[in-house]
Amino acid sequence: DAGITQSPRHKVTETGTPVTLRCHQTENHRYMYWYRQDPGHGLRLIHYSYGVKDTDKGEVSDGYSVSRSKTEDFLLTLESATSSQTSVYFCAIREGAGQFFGPGTRLTVL
Amino acid sequence: KNQVEQSPQSLIILEGKNCTLQCNYTVSPFSNLRWYKQDTGRGPVSLTIMTFSENTKSNGRYTATLDADTKQSSLHITASQLSDSASYICVVGATTTTDSWGKLQFGAGTQVVVTP
Repeated sequence: DAGITQSPRHKVTETGTPVTLRCHQTENHRYMYWYRQDPGHGLRLIHYSYGVKDTDKGEVSDGYSVSRSKTEDFLLTLESATSSQTSVYFCAIREGAGQFFGPGTRLTVL
Repeated sequence: KNQVEQSPQSLIILEGKNCTLQCNYTVSPFSNLRWYKQDTGRGPVSLTIMTFSENTKSNGRYTATLDADTKQSSLHITASQLSDSASYICVVGATTTTDSWGKLQFGAGTQVVVTP
């Protein structure tokens, strides 16, 4: 699992509340990614980071923000959660030519 | 429109049989093509990675092929096992000027069920 953990693993929240998901890695990887996975869709990139305080948007970044204040942690924040953000969120790191994914966080917005 | 289309959407096969999954893409300029296996409730795990110059790559009982001219790839599973039950995802990387690794486009996956 390339030393990637995600927390929480499951969360239920209400529309309009802020939510922060955490991705933690222990192997000093430079690149980190946040994806969402929905039925019938492939994984879609939300944001990614190429170093501490260096982040960029992916294809579905609206409604999400990220922060990376230290190498090991990449945080994904939903400022005001909406029902359309109900999804499974995966964090990933890049190592050489490969990409390794965390176990995922299932988020339900009621 | 998704630039990576996979077929079939799902299939059921008997244990011990072979099967082939298809991936067609329109991603351009092409950089690399990857196949991932995703077990239920877990993150995807890489099976193979191929670049433009490679037309086949194996990983145990999994063999991926690539035809960059027709923009098609296939994943062949030989002598299927119950543990092969999973979603198989085709991922195609597009070359960018700023990232040699490429911008990745994910297919929706093929759900494979292996029955005893």
